[in-house]
This record gives sequence, C-alpha cells and structure tokens, in this order.
Amino acid sequence: EVQLVESGGGLVQPGGSLRLSCAASGFIFSNFWMSWVRQAPGKGLEWVASIKGDGSETYYVDSVTGRLTISRDNAKNSLYLQMNSLRGEDTALYYCARVIGRYLDNWGRGTLVTVSS
Amino acid sequence: DIQMTQSPSSVSASVGDRVTITCRASQGINGWLAWYQQKPGKAPKLLISAALTLQSGVPSRFSGSGSGTDYTLTISSLQPEDFATYYCQQAYSFLLTFGGGTKVEVK
Repeated sequence: EVQLVESGGGLVQPGGSLRLSCAASGFIFSNFWMSWVRQAPGKGLEWVASIKGDGSETYYVDSVTGRLTISRDNAKNSLYLQMNSLRGEDTALYYCARVIGRYLDNWGRGTLVTVSS
Repeated sequence: DIQMTQSPSSVSASVGDRVTITCRASQGINGWLAWYQQKPGKAPKLLISAALTLQSGVPSRFSGSGSGTDYTLTISSLQPEDFATYYCQQAYSFLLTFGGGTKVEVK
C-alpha cells in the first residue's frame, strides 16, 4: 500500500524558513516523480513543485521560484521542500503526492504551514 | 502557464441527479486532463486521468469526456457520498495547474 506522510509544518514568522519532509513507503520511490501541492485555508489546490525520480529535473510554480526548493533522498525514501523567505501567502496545507504521467495518484494527509508574526 | 477555468463554482443537486462540471484550458491540452474529488478535511483523490480513464475503484457513474480545450466530468446519478469539491488539472505542461474547483452541494 502506498503511504505518504508529511511532517515539518508549523508556525513561522514572515521571512523565516521551514523544511517539510514526506516519508514514502509501499512503492519503489526512485522510480517516480513526486510533487508538492498546497491549499490555502478555504481555497483551492495549487501545484507548487515537482521533481524527477533521480532528482535531475525540477519544476516550480512562478510564485515560489527562488524561495522554495524541492529535493529528495532516494536512499531514505524521502521528499523535501525547503522553504525560505516565507510570506503570508505561503500559509497553506502542504501535500506531497506521487506522480504518474503528470497525474497525482496518491496523496499524503498534508502538513500545515502558517506564516504569521 | 496554462490556465484552467472550471464552471460552475458550485452546484446544488439532489441524490439521483445528473451533474456536469466543465473545465476549459487556456490552450489545447490534447487530453492531458485529470479530475480529483476532495471531501472536507481529506486529501484529494484522483478520479479520472487522460480525460476519460477511470481510476481503479471509482464508480462507473463518474465519466469524463472532452478534447482540445474543453473537458467535462459527469456524475450520472449523484449519490450521498459524492457531495464534495471537484478539481480539474492539466497535465500537458510540466507546470501543472488546477481549476478553481466546483463544490457539489445538497439542494
């Protein structure tokens, strides 16, 4: 059974940093692209970033480019999102998701990031 | 980036009703479209990929259609467990984008 478990969310001040993690199990992690998707409170879904199975390619939504960095450690079956220079508009529930053919076929439960002073 | 416009933003319906949700892309996406269902407090669930391919375990009352820029999700006979928010997502570009969502509410 595919399992994705996010962690690392919390309250952070504007301009601060946070690192999200996603522990994957139940599949061969290195064979799959992975993505982060976020959802602001009461709002819709927004794709944030994707990374290829071997980590050689990454893509980002324009609003986070240069501030958020997606990475992975295939030896640890883990996906990461390094979040720097955080802004209020980054407040959201962050989901990690497995990607098949650029479709998001399995999702974690999410970890909440709140950016506020 | 490819923009996805979903309509309506909400729909009120009764059990047994036929419900149709549309999604329009800002450019042709050649069938690279998914539909997700999200219930309150839960993660989204992939229902349909490649515009019309039902995922394993998804009831056959759900169907997808469309081509070019215009796509449709149809629920043929709404069931109580189908009240939720539905999102489309284009997969034509590596820069994925979602529609704004359609909330299916009890009439």
